[in-house]
Amino acid sequence: QVQLVQSGAEVKRPGASVRVSCKTSGYTFIGYYLHWVRQVPGQGLEWMGWLNPKSGDTKFAQKFQDRVTLTRATSIRTAYLELTSLRSDDTAVYYCTRRWGPSWVARGGWFDSWGQGTLVTVSS
Amino acid sequence: SVLTQPPSVSVAPGQTARFTCGGINIGSDSVNWYQQKPGQAPVLVVYDDGDRPSGIPERFSGSKSGNMATLTISRVEAGDEADYWCQVWDPTYDHVVFGGGTKLTVL
Repeated sequence: QVQLVQSGAEVKRPGASVRVSCKTSGYTFIGYYLHWVRQVPGQGLEWMGWLNPKSGDTKFAQKFQDRVTLTRATSIRTAYLELTSLRSDDTAVYYCTRRWGPSWVARGGWFDSWGQGTLVTVSS
Repeated sequence: SVLTQPPSVSVAPGQTARFTCGGINIGSDSVNWYQQKPGQAPVLVVYDDGDRPSGIPERFSGSKSGNMATLTISRVEAGDEADYWCQVWDPTYDHVVFGGGTKLTVL
């Protein structure tokens, strides 16, 4: 079955960077876009961006454009989120999620599988 | 794009819960719904306006009219208590949008 397993919780200082991994299994890695969504404790879901695992193409929400990098290692079916210049308001649970939809177009579809989430705490 | 959801809905067990999601783009794009229980990742419960993934009970259904989408849970159970999020693709900015979420309380 489809599984997305994320790396463990992180504690970072303000100004540092964090990298979260999302290891996938149970499906063709390059066939589905992967998205990242975060959730500040007690608040809503916030979309951050997507990665096309086949081409490496990415797109981000404008809010994160200058601080987020999405990459992948296809040989180990793993995607990565890197967020730089961390602030206290980046404290959140970060989720990777698989987009079910046509592999040749980014828009549309739905999120049919989710990672378990990674809590990133930013604190001095 | 902004998706508007009421912050809370309360129903008694066995009753019907309805969650609305309003937005300008809803009429032209598919709406997806997710259930999120405390401490867990979201789970897809309705996709493409009104289809149900395998494993989701028939009690969950979705519909859309004009610029308003509705998730309906019939015969509500205590285990349905959760946050519910609607989601669309915003073609204007070419990105994903989530609603603000609705918390279901089962009385």
